[in-house]
Amino acid sequence: TQTVSQSDAHVTVFEGDSVELRCNYSYGGSIYLSWYIQHHGHGLQFLLKYYSGNPVVQGVNGFEAEFSKSDSSFHLRKASVHWSDSAVYFCAVSAASSGQKLVFGQGTILKVYL
Amino acid sequence: NAGVIQTPRHKVTGKGQEATLWCEPISGHSAVFWYRQTIVQGLEFLTYFRNQAPIDDSGMPKERFSAQMPNQSHSTLKIQSTQPQDSAVYLCASSSPTGGALTGQLYFGEGSKLTVL
Repeated sequence: TQTVSQSDAHVTVFEGDSVELRCNYSYGGSIYLSWYIQHHGHGLQFLLKYYSGNPVVQGVNGFEAEFSKSDSSFHLRKASVHWSDSAVYFCAVSAASSGQKLVFGQGTILKVYL
Repeated sequence: NAGVIQTPRHKVTGKGQEATLWCEPISGHSAVFWYRQTIVQGLEFLTYFRNQAPIDDSGMPKERFSAQMPNQSHSTLKIQSTQPQDSAVYLCASSSPTGGALTGQLYFGEGSKLTVL
């Protein structure tokens, strides 16, 4: 059974700051890792995903994430945040052995102050 | 493309009543997923259809919950004899034939917020 852990429940930064949202997973097989964003009162929107190849993947709106097999991590980063990036961010893992369903972390609430 | 459409956006029911939630996936998408979201439990997988066939319902509560996909344009989640603990946001997502949960890319609807009094 795969698990996803997002250690930070809340992250607060100011506009223009850089930010890193952490995600660690537990699974030994071939997996897809992804990040989603959820603005208040809305559904989730896909940001980016990783399966193989370059461990740094680029997503929408300047987000990127880096896969590390040694650390079992897939942290999300942005160099300069905007107030509109305030939202809940979910890390997710999927694998064929889990029936193709996404397993989500608990989410990290990002607040960006002006 | 209108995206995944969920109705109703909000539903309030009394304890013991039935609630039916609807989902219209993106046209051409072959898979539909249902998730439940609460503050305490986070995002929980409920069930999944591919080409209208039920594939995995391992997350569905054994009693009172049922899901169907009678045609490729809609899926329903029905909760009988609703209880206060069923209060949650129910999210529907769809994926294309070449994508899907295995590749980590789902398209979610806005959700249906169910409140059971």
